[in-house]
Amino acid sequence: NAGVTQTPKFQVLKTGQSMTLQCAQDMNHNSMYWYRQDPGMGLRLIYYSASEGTTDKGEVPNGYNVSRLNKREFSLRLESAAPSQTSVYFCASSERGWGEQFFGPGTRLTVL
Amino acid sequence: GNSVTQMEGPVTLSEEAFLTINCTYTATGYPSLFWYVQYPGEGLQLLLKATKADDKGSNKGFEATYRKETTSFHLEKGSVQVSDSAVYFCALSPPTDSWGKLQFGAGTQVVVTP
Repeated sequence: NAGVTQTPKFQVLKTGQSMTLQCAQDMNHNSMYWYRQDPGMGLRLIYYSASEGTTDKGEVPNGYNVSRLNKREFSLRLESAAPSQTSVYFCASSERGWGEQFFGPGTRLTVL
Repeated sequence: GNSVTQMEGPVTLSEEAFLTINCTYTATGYPSLFWYVQYPGEGLQLLLKATKADDKGSNKGFEATYRKETTSFHLEKGSVQVSDSAVYFCALSPPTDSWGKLQFGAGTQVVVTP
């Protein structure tokens, strides 16, 4: 039981490049989330998927797109990376309700 | 809107000292409240939670009580260890949200020295 896994762990991009962050969970959870973590700002929700087949914007969606590929997988895409997207990205999953979430180990992204 | 305010860090303590991290919130109704912990280089882990007023969450020697009258959920531990060095996040889940979206505070770094 691996929980929530994320790939890659580290990535360096140049401004304007694109990439996809991958996330998978093996807990049969319905809901999945993408957050970014920046110093002094806690975690901010980028997008979430309440259930398979649905996605919704969170607090900071601009510059990102997501795909809920199936119940297990939820990917985050940066179409044209900008330095402001330098951050640590966390994927999380949960059952519906109650708000208890399980987090992956994170992806540290640097955009030059 | 909903928000969570935590005391700023870093908080530096000696081993066996008493730890308190203040957390206050703004929300409509009765949110669920959480403390998450992030050890260096890792993702967040749920430390404890409380889902209604006057509930006390506890885990690994940490405690927090849901105080509706002061809209607070302060984290306490009676005797910290070096292994408690981490960043601690207070969070809330709005009562109207059935999908479990969380609103996080900025986090408080705790450093425990031997």
